[in-house]
Amino acid sequence: EAQVTQNPRYLITVTGKKLTVTCSQNMNHEYMSWYRQDPGLGLRQIYYSMNVEVTDKGDVPEGYKVSRKEKRNFPLILESPSPNQTSLYFCASSFLAGANVLTFGAGSRLTVL
Amino acid sequence: SQQGEEDPQALSIQEGENATMNCSYKTSINNLQWYRQNSGRGLVHLILIRSNEREKHSGRLRVTLDTSKKSSSLLITASRAADTASYFCATDAVNTNAGKSTFGDGTTLTVKP
Repeated sequence: EAQVTQNPRYLITVTGKKLTVTCSQNMNHEYMSWYRQDPGLGLRQIYYSMNVEVTDKGDVPEGYKVSRKEKRNFPLILESPSPNQTSLYFCASSFLAGANVLTFGAGSRLTVL
Repeated sequence: SQQGEEDPQALSIQEGENATMNCSYKTSINNLQWYRQNSGRGLVHLILIRSNEREKHSGRLRVTLDTSKKSSSLLITASRAADTASYFCATDAVNTNAGKSTFGDGTTLTVKP
């Protein structure tokens, strides 16, 4: 089944404890992207990747890192999480950027205490 | 600020009625997409309309695009309880990095049986 898989789905952590949210797609998509969703603010783009080893900042990149060493994986790294990073995170991918349909993962709900 | 803004924020109708939600955006776009999100889940693509198109249909969905007004509308006809969800527009703006995508805040639709 074609899908985007995120892990973990739920995580409660404490301020400053590094964590990684993994994202993997099995559709050979070139484009991948991370979003966070907060009440009243819709989805905001954190980082995106046009292809392997090519990443760029979205609208809210502060406090996050990403890497794209393989085509299928696009992990989101929070080096020192803070409470304002408590959010629902979504990974998405598409064949190419632009006018292409995004396939979303199921989401990762992160709470930082 | 968000490129796309949906209106209304919330909409409640009876089953069988039509639901109309609107999206306004600020800058010229290449295309506009509508997505649906069931509570807390990943977004699912509904329909894409390009800047040179004025109207598209898909089943009970009808999307219009007015580039002169920088707005789009999504009409769901003969609504069902299963249509209860949040609906988001996403724009791919001209003269921005191809990988940047912007989502609106969403319209929450409730269809009462």
